[in-house]
Amino acid sequence: GQQLNQSPQSMFIQEGEDVSMNCTSSSIFNTWLWYKQDPGEGPVLLIALYKAGELTSNGRLTAQFGITRKDSFLNISASIPSDVGIYFCAGLHPEAAGNKLTFGGGTRVLVKP
Amino acid sequence: EAGVTQFPSHSVIEKGQTVTLRCDPISGHDNLYWYRRVMGKEIKFLLHFVKESKQDESGMPNNRFLAERTGGTYSTLKVQPAELEDSGVYFCASSQGWDEAFFGQGTRLTVV
Repeated sequence: GQQLNQSPQSMFIQEGEDVSMNCTSSSIFNTWLWYKQDPGEGPVLLIALYKAGELTSNGRLTAQFGITRKDSFLNISASIPSDVGIYFCAGLHPEAAGNKLTFGGGTRVLVKP
Repeated sequence: EAGVTQFPSHSVIEKGQTVTLRCDPISGHDNLYWYRRVMGKEIKFLLHFVKESKQDESGMPNNRFLAERTGGTYSTLKVQPAELEDSGVYFCASSQGWDEAFFGQGTRLTVV
């Protein structure tokens, strides 16, 4: 089946740093989405990507839909403490019915002690 | 406008007991999805309702799980009997057409 490999699994950030995470798959996807989950909350959509090669920004967040349609990355620039949380990539496979999403395992972003 | 709401937020039950989770989607959203995140792994699709009909239930783990959506409004997900491996966070999401799916806060289920 379709599987998304998300890395890193966790990372520590220092305020002001740029951070990056990515997702790869052996299958192609039509749509790539990036979500953030805060403690006690559900995932919230950050960025949606619909075309191969597309580069989209949302404030300090930038995400790209890989040209092969098998990968995507998310960059956070000038990180701030409220960026901590779990970030998930998700994809919509061409053969998926409805809006059935395949999720990556998540990247837990923590503040450097 | 109220978002997707899930009840309860936490549930701790013993192995063999029954638990029912409830999801109230955003009003007017025909699509309702159940997902589950187990043991810090990826969020996995369970099933998809369009109004009251099950569109896709390919992700349901086994026949101990039963989902319903009465009258195409709220949905329930019943686990009977619960097993240890059912522990996790159960998310519900809803959408209108092909638009963005909005997630509820999740129900954390712990089976002991």
